[in-house]
Amino acid sequence: SAVISQKPSRDICQRGTSLTIQCQVDSQVTMMFWYRQQPGQSLTLIATANQGSEATYESGFVIDKFPISRPNLTFSTLTVSNMSPEDSSIYLCSAWVAGGQETQYFGPGTRLLVL
Amino acid sequence: SQQGEEDPQALSIQEGENATMNCSYKTSINNLQWYRQNSGRGLVHLILIRSNEREKHSGRLRVTLDTSKKSSSLLITASRAADTASYFCATDGMTGAGNMLTFGGGTRLMVKP
Repeated sequence: SAVISQKPSRDICQRGTSLTIQCQVDSQVTMMFWYRQQPGQSLTLIATANQGSEATYESGFVIDKFPISRPNLTFSTLTVSNMSPEDSSIYLCSAWVAGGQETQYFGPGTRLLVL
Repeated sequence: SQQGEEDPQALSIQEGENATMNCSYKTSINNLQWYRQNSGRGLVHLILIRSNEREKHSGRLRVTLDTSKKSSSLLITASRAADTASYFCATDGMTGAGNMLTFGGGTRLMVKP
């Protein structure tokens, strides 16, 4: 299994500003992912954070809006840039732990409110 | 886009009753996972069922998978108030980069004491 932590756990931000969310895994993992969960909705994959290369973004998400870093096998950041109220969501990182049951483990999420 | 649809969207039962949630998906899968989410917090992994499995148990949880119908069900027996949460199914598809999960819409379960 893997233990995943995220910082900050929540934040209230002004529109036009940017917020960087950190995700730390307690073991080396091959793949990390970032999801968005809008209020009352399910999770939508933003991107796959690749170690040593650019992130792979899903349809509807772009690097300029959601730049991602993955400097090593245990850490990733997601930045929400030039925020608007529509960006108010929970942002969750996850990691796939190889070997075993291919389970994805999730962090506790970062609850973002943009005013 | 979401792969799966879950029903019901919301379910309210009394403590001690069983709760059944259903999930349907559209494309072929490697496996299907069920997660629980309490009050908008992080997701807790409950159980994984592989595409070649039909049924799996874990404590009070029973999951079935019917790949011919592209559907799965999660049964929680003898429910408790602490089971109140949202439950999501997620599929791990057979295409693209490995192990990207696609989530269903979720079922909000309320267990009344």
